[in-house]
Amino acid sequence: DADVTQTPRNRITKTGKRIMLECSQTKGHDRMYWYRQDPGLGLQLIYYSFDVKDINKGEISDGYSVSRQAQAKFSLSLESAIPNQTALYFCATSDHRDRGTDTQYFGPGTRLTVL
Amino acid sequence: EDQVTQSPEALRLQEGESSSLNCSYTVSGLRGLFWYRQDPGKGPEFLFTLYSAGEEKEKERLKATLTKKESFLHITAPKPEDSATYLCAVQGESNFNKFYFGSGTKLNVKP
Repeated sequence: DADVTQTPRNRITKTGKRIMLECSQTKGHDRMYWYRQDPGLGLQLIYYSFDVKDINKGEISDGYSVSRQAQAKFSLSLESAIPNQTALYFCATSDHRDRGTDTQYFGPGTRLTVL
Repeated sequence: EDQVTQSPEALRLQEGESSSLNCSYTVSGLRGLFWYRQDPGKGPEFLFTLYSAGEEKEKERLKATLTKKESFLHITAPKPEDSATYLCAVQGESNFNKFYFGSGTKLNVKP
C-alpha cells in the first residue's frame, strides 16, 4: 500500500462549488503539506502543518483552507472553486528528525478541473 | 532572494549516452538539497537528499553531487525508462519552513 494516499484522484467541478481534497499517510510523519502544480511551473506551497495543532499559510493560500484532523490526515478545501484553480494538487509529508532536514514524500496527486 | 534554477529545460539523449542535469541555487544557509523524479501526471518520487558541499549519493544509473552553489544529477548509460522530469528543491536554514523548487528538466531517452 502507498505511504501517502490522496482522494479523489480526479475531479471535475463547476465554478462556485465547494471541493475537499483528502490526504492520508502511514509514514508516521508529523509534517504535512499541500502543493499545486501548473503546467511548466514549479510546485507552489499552499498550506503546511507541522503537527495537529499547527497550520500555516504557504505562498498561495488565498481561496484555500485546510484541516488537520489527525496526525495522519490533512485535507484541503476550495470554498468556492474558480477556473484558475484547475491544476494538479499534491500532498506531501516529511520527517524533521532526519538531521533537521525535511525530505518530503509526495502522494500520487489529484487532478482538479474547474469548469 | 532564495531561488533554484534548473538547466537545461529539456534534454534528449540516445540510450547509453551519459549526461548531467544542473541545479543552481541561492539560499542563506543550506539545510538540504533534494532531487525528485516525476512521471507525467504522477507525484514526485524522492531520489536523494544532499546536506553539505562535497557530498555525493548514487542510485543505480543516477549520481547526485553538491557544491556550495549547484548540484548535478549525473545519468550514466541511460535507458528509455529513465525518461521523466527531474526536479530539484532546496530547504534553507533561515527560512526552514519554505522549500524552493526548480521548474525541472524534462529528460527523454530514445532507444
